[in-house]
Amino acid sequence: EVQLVESGGGLVQPGGSLRLSCVASGFTFSSYAMSWVRQAPGKGLEWVSPFSGSGASTDYADSVKGRFTISRDNFKKTLYLQIKSLRVEDTALYYCARAIGIGAFDIWGQGTMVTVSS
Amino acid sequence: QSALTQPPSASGSPGQSVTISCTGTSSDVGDSDYVSWYQQHPGKAPKLMIYEVTKRPSGVPDRFSGSKSGNTASLTVSGLHTEDEADYYCSSYAGSNNYVAFGGGTKVTVL
Repeated sequence: EVQLVESGGGLVQPGGSLRLSCVASGFTFSSYAMSWVRQAPGKGLEWVSPFSGSGASTDYADSVKGRFTISRDNFKKTLYLQIKSLRVEDTALYYCARAIGIGAFDIWGQGTMVTVSS
Repeated sequence: QSALTQPPSASGSPGQSVTISCTGTSSDVGDSDYVSWYQQHPGKAPKLMIYEVTKRPSGVPDRFSGSKSGNTASLTVSGLHTEDEADYYCSSYAGSNNYVAFGGGTKVTVL
């Protein structure tokens, strides 16, 4: 079964850091670009960054540039999102998603919740 | 990096059709063959319904169709079923700036 499972979310104070993980199974992880998409409570979807399958390039949404860092370990079939300098507005459910073609995400995890509050 | 514009709500009776619009700019929807649509039920992860403007992933009913004209993309659900009641989001890849823009979402109600 094709599956993505996120973890690492939690309650953190403003200015804090977290590392989210997304473990893939059921498909050849290294062959796909992966991305993080977040959804604030009661709000819409917001793309965080695409990630090329080769790991050669990344581009970040303006709202997270300089604070979020994406990485991946193809051997462990795991995608990571390192988040620093967290802000209250970063509070959201963070989804890991597999990209097909360009800009379309066909497999999504169940999400991991990040809450930024003092 | 701007969000795409969707109507907040749409509705139709079972068996009817509903069309949701998604308006962007000449930098994203108007310049992209990579428009996607997602369905999201409450408490669930989004599900890809349409990609590359008109393509349906395997398993998506052909009642769902996509189109684009200029800076506006559209999703049409024909022959509404009660289970189609959900939030729908569009997205577009903006190649010139290399990012993916999402719409604000449209809540579809089946009356």
